[in-house]
Amino acid sequence: QVQLVQSGAEVKKPGASVKVSCKASGYTFTSYGISWVRQAPGQGLEWMGWISAYNGNTNYAQKLQGRVTMTTDTSTSTAYMELRSLRFDDTAVYYCARDYYLGVRGRNWFDPWGQGTLVTVSS
Amino acid sequence: DIQMTQSPSSLSASVGDRVTITCRASQSISSYLNWYQQKPGKAPKLLIYAASSLQSGVPSRFSGSGSGTEFTLTISSLQPEDFATYYCQQSYSTPSYTFGQGTKLEIK
Repeated sequence: QVQLVQSGAEVKKPGASVKVSCKASGYTFTSYGISWVRQAPGQGLEWMGWISAYNGNTNYAQKLQGRVTMTTDTSTSTAYMELRSLRFDDTAVYYCARDYYLGVRGRNWFDPWGQGTLVTVSS
Repeated sequence: DIQMTQSPSSLSASVGDRVTITCRASQSISSYLNWYQQKPGKAPKLLIYAASSLQSGVPSRFSGSGSGTEFTLTISSLQPEDFATYYCQQSYSTPSYTFGQGTKLEIK
């Protein structure tokens, strides 16, 4: 079955970086993009950015531009999200999701999602 | 950027009730609107895509409608497992996306 499995929880100090992985299985990795979404404690979903697993093109949320980098390794069907200069308000559960595309622009949705990775920023 | 606004932010209802959640877009997004369900401690799950198409495996008591700027998610007869938080998401501006702020559905 189609599945995304993320790396484990992380605790980081302010100013550090974190890199979360998302390993895909059950489908052709390069056929779809991957989006990253985060959720601060008790808050809603915040879209962080998207990467094409086909050609590596990216699109980042404006508020994270300059601090986030998304990459893929097609040899292992794994996507990565690195967030730098961590702040206390970056504490959140980070999700990857397959950006399913029906072949028509706009006909995109996220399915499935990874299980989530808790990143805690604490001094 | 396209803003998505859900109402209400929270809702109390009873098993068997019919419930409707509304999502409004700040500009027309045609039918490029998806709905997700999230239970505590779990990842979101796709319910409805393209405004009204039911994802495989999702019970038929869930339905979606709307186009342009106003959309609704309806649960025809609430079941105990439906108590969760629901999010809408626009995909009109792909590959840039926006979620609504969520609607928490609680047991009355």
